[in-house]
Amino acid sequence: AQTVTQSQPEMSVQEAETVTLSCTYDTSESDYYLFWYKQPPSRQMILVIRQEAYKQQNATENRFSVNFQKAAKSFSLKISDSQLGDAAMYFCAYRSSRGGATNKLIFGTGTLLAVQP
Amino acid sequence: DGGITQSPKYLFRKEGQNVTLSCEQNLNHDAMYWYRQDPGQGLRLIYYSQIVNDFQKGDIAEGYSVSREKKESFPLTVTSAQKNPTAFYLCASRSGRAGYHEQFFGPGTRLTVL
Repeated sequence: AQTVTQSQPEMSVQEAETVTLSCTYDTSESDYYLFWYKQPPSRQMILVIRQEAYKQQNATENRFSVNFQKAAKSFSLKISDSQLGDAAMYFCAYRSSRGGATNKLIFGTGTLLAVQP
Repeated sequence: DGGITQSPKYLFRKEGQNVTLSCEQNLNHDAMYWYRQDPGQGLRLIYYSQIVNDFQKGDIAEGYSVSREKKESFPLTVTSAQKNPTAFYLCASRSGRAGYHEQFFGPGTRLTVL
C-alpha cells in the first residue's frame, strides 16, 4: 500500500523569505500523481500544485515550486517570498494513475506553516 | 460560479441519532468523495462514487452510508453505529475527463456529538 510521510509537523518562516516543506512517499508504481494542498484556518482545502510522475520537469505555480525526485520518492514544496497569507496547514498527497479503488488521494499528516511578520 | 457546497457548516448530534451531511457540486464532475479529518491526521477516505447510482467503500466506511441518485449530489449519512463521529468532514469532486486528476474540495462540515 502507498504511504505519504511529512516529517515536519510545524515550520516557521519570516515574511519574504523562502521555506521548503518535505514530503516522502512509498509506492511500487511507476505512474502516479503528486499534489500539495493548502488548508488555511477556514479549513477549505486548496490545490497548490500538482506533479505528474512521468514528467521530469518540476512543476511551478508563481511563488510555489516543487523538487520532485522520483528515484528518492521525494516531493518537497518550496514557497518563495513568503506572505502572511501563506500561513496554513500544507498536505502532500499521492494518487495512483490507475482507476477504480486506487483512485483515492492518500494524504500525509500535514505541516503547519507559520509566517512571521 | 462553479463549485462545491456543503451544508451545514456546523452540525451537532446527540448520541444515537443519524445525521445527513449535504454535498452538492455544479462542476459537472463525475466522481465525488467523502473524507474525514481528525486533529493531527491527514484526510481519510470514507466513500467515493465514480458515476451515478454507484459508490464504493473507502478506508473507514463503517458507520457511514451514502447515495448517488444525481450527478450533482452525494449526501453522507453518519449513523448511530459510528462510534466516534466527531470530526471535520470534507466532500470533494473530480472530473472524469482524461488529463484531469486533481480533486476539488468543499468548505467542510464540522460534526460534533453531544
